[in-house]
Amino acid sequence: KQEVTQIPAALSVPEGENLVLNCSFTDSAIYNLQWFRQDPGKGLTSLLLIQSSQREQTSGRLNASLDKSSGRSTLYIAASQPGDSATYLCAVDTDKLIFGTGTRLQVFP
Amino acid sequence: GAVVSQHPSRVICKSGTSVKIECRSLDFQATTMFWYRQFPKQSLMLMATSNEGSKATYEQGVEKDKFLINHASLTLSTLTVTSAHPEDSSFYICSARQNLNTEAFFGQGTRLTVV
Repeated sequence: KQEVTQIPAALSVPEGENLVLNCSFTDSAIYNLQWFRQDPGKGLTSLLLIQSSQREQTSGRLNASLDKSSGRSTLYIAASQPGDSATYLCAVDTDKLIFGTGTRLQVFP
Repeated sequence: GAVVSQHPSRVICKSGTSVKIECRSLDFQATTMFWYRQFPKQSLMLMATSNEGSKATYEQGVEKDKFLINHASLTLSTLTVTSAHPEDSSFYICSARQNLNTEAFFGQGTRLTVV
């Protein structure tokens, strides 16, 4: 059974810091991995999708890497801003999409 | 990205009644749809996977008679919460994808409150 864990569970940092969020999964036979953000009481916003054959994807200040063999993905956020405050979720796709436990991020001015 | 529309966004119902939530893929045909439930401050829990024209596959611990899922067409799946009770109050989110190994797109979610 696929298990997806995210570390840290919560993070509070001052504005401007570079951040690393971690996602680990137990079954490496995945099709792809997605990163999402979720604002309180809202739905999901897709951030990045990494196919299993890819090593990383970048969008603006966000960079996600994937090491399938070790069952790990990292989301790097550069120069964090208060608007980045949200819960970040990774999800691994096999024949079904399984979500990680989430990281609650707070960036204060 | 592709659009998945979920309705209603909020619903309040009385205990004992049934509630239907719709999930539509607006600009692509979705062979697979997923239904998730999210409790406050927790992650998304997969309830079931539905493939068009087939019976849904439920995750362990999810009551199939309680949460009826129908995926009758390539653009529509419905989740019906039958005989709802206050403990069914939650945030429900659907997801759709065209094929295996393609990106999954998510609806806006439905906040269900049973009183």
